[in-house]
Amino acid sequence: NAGVTQTPKFQVLKTGQSMTLQCAQDMNHEYMSWYRQDPGMGLRLIHYSVGAGITDQGEVPNGYNVSRSTTEDFPLRLLSAAPSQTSVYFCASSYSRWDRRQETQYFGPGTRLLVL
Amino acid sequence: RKEVEQDPGPFNVPEGATVAFNCTYSNSASQSFFWYRQDCRKEPKLLMSVYSSGNEDGRFTAQLNRASQYISLLIRDSKLSDSATYLCVVNPADYKLSFGAGTTVTVRA
Repeated sequence: NAGVTQTPKFQVLKTGQSMTLQCAQDMNHEYMSWYRQDPGMGLRLIHYSVGAGITDQGEVPNGYNVSRSTTEDFPLRLLSAAPSQTSVYFCASSYSRWDRRQETQYFGPGTRLLVL
Repeated sequence: RKEVEQDPGPFNVPEGATVAFNCTYSNSASQSFFWYRQDCRKEPKLLMSVYSSGNEDGRFTAQLNRASQYISLLIRDSKLSDSATYLCVVNPADYKLSFGAGTTVTVRA
């Protein structure tokens, strides 16, 4: 099992550029999510998905889009990059529980993004 | 007010010492509680879940106090390898997790 994989590991963008951060998991997890981590702040939820075809917004969704066409993949798109989106981005996956409580989250290694 | 608050530290302790720290959470309806460990520039990894009655995993002990809305982590017989940032994580709502900013622990030889 590769677990949760993310690409790229590092990226530098110019303001206004768009890009897609890739995330894939091979554990057949239903639940996938994207977080951003900034210094002095906890991980903040951007978007999440409870299964293929189902996505929802988290705490800080503005400027980001997601889709979930397969169980394995959950890409995050930055529509028009801004310096405020400079951050470390983590993708995570877990089993979905019937009572909607969170199970253990498995994180990918992260993507470090710098927007100039 | 942040949903989860932690003392950022750092807690600098010698090898073999005991270190303990808390986090507080604001949503009394929270159902699940966790401690994650994050090494420098790496992804968070689950250290342990926190159960209502408190639980141990080797040198690590976690406690939950619902009345005062805090959870704690105690590390006994600290090792150099315990140096990391410890994230307090709470499940305040369906499918959501709230992360604290982390408590940094540095164990010195």
